[in-house]
Amino acid sequence: NAGVTQTPKFQVLKTGQSMTLQCAQDMNHEYMSWYRQDPGMGLRLIHYSVGAGITDQGEVPNGYNVSRSTTEDFPLRLLSAAPSQTSVYFCASRSTGGGFSGANVLTFGAGSRLTVL
Amino acid sequence: AQSVTQLGSHVSVSEGALVLLRCNYSSSVPPYLFWYVQYPNQGLQLLLKYTSAATLVKGINGFEAEFKKSETSFHLTKPSAHMSDAAEYFCAVTLPRIQGAQKLVFGQGTRLTINP
Repeated sequence: NAGVTQTPKFQVLKTGQSMTLQCAQDMNHEYMSWYRQDPGMGLRLIHYSVGAGITDQGEVPNGYNVSRSTTEDFPLRLLSAAPSQTSVYFCASRSTGGGFSGANVLTFGAGSRLTVL
Repeated sequence: AQSVTQLGSHVSVSEGALVLLRCNYSSSVPPYLFWYVQYPNQGLQLLLKYTSAATLVKGINGFEAEFKKSETSFHLTKPSAHMSDAAEYFCAVTLPRIQGAQKLVFGQGTRLTINP
């Protein structure tokens, strides 16, 4: 059982380039999300999805795009990378069993470290 | 909107000493609260969670936390620190209901160092 798989683990971009961070889970979780982690700021929610075809914004959505065409995959797109997007990105998923209960625990991927020069 | 504040970005204790990591929350309704741990170069994993059952919650690796509504706190403790406890710890809050349950809000994190 692989859990949540993120690729790539490391990426260096130049300002203005675009790229996609991939996230896949094999637990049939309806809910998937993307966070960024920056020193002293904890984890901040970028976008989330409660099922295929449904996405919504988190705290820091600007400069990022998401889509959810399947239950398993939730890619995060950087449209035009900026140095402020240098960060570690985490994908996380959870079941929404129990009526979208917030008690269900997030399972995190290992992270993708992105540097924008 | 809900939020959490972790007091102290760095905590250092001696091996065998008490570990106390502080977390205070703000929420308009009774929240659900979590502690996650992150070991170097890894993702986050759950230590324990409070979901309105017992106020004293026991987690993995000997950690526990107590929900205190009057103090709006959810501090994490361990009676005796071990070298393997060195990591970053995050407190997080969410709301039980449908709309609010979609956003898990994290604190800034506390880096725990264990001195031999």
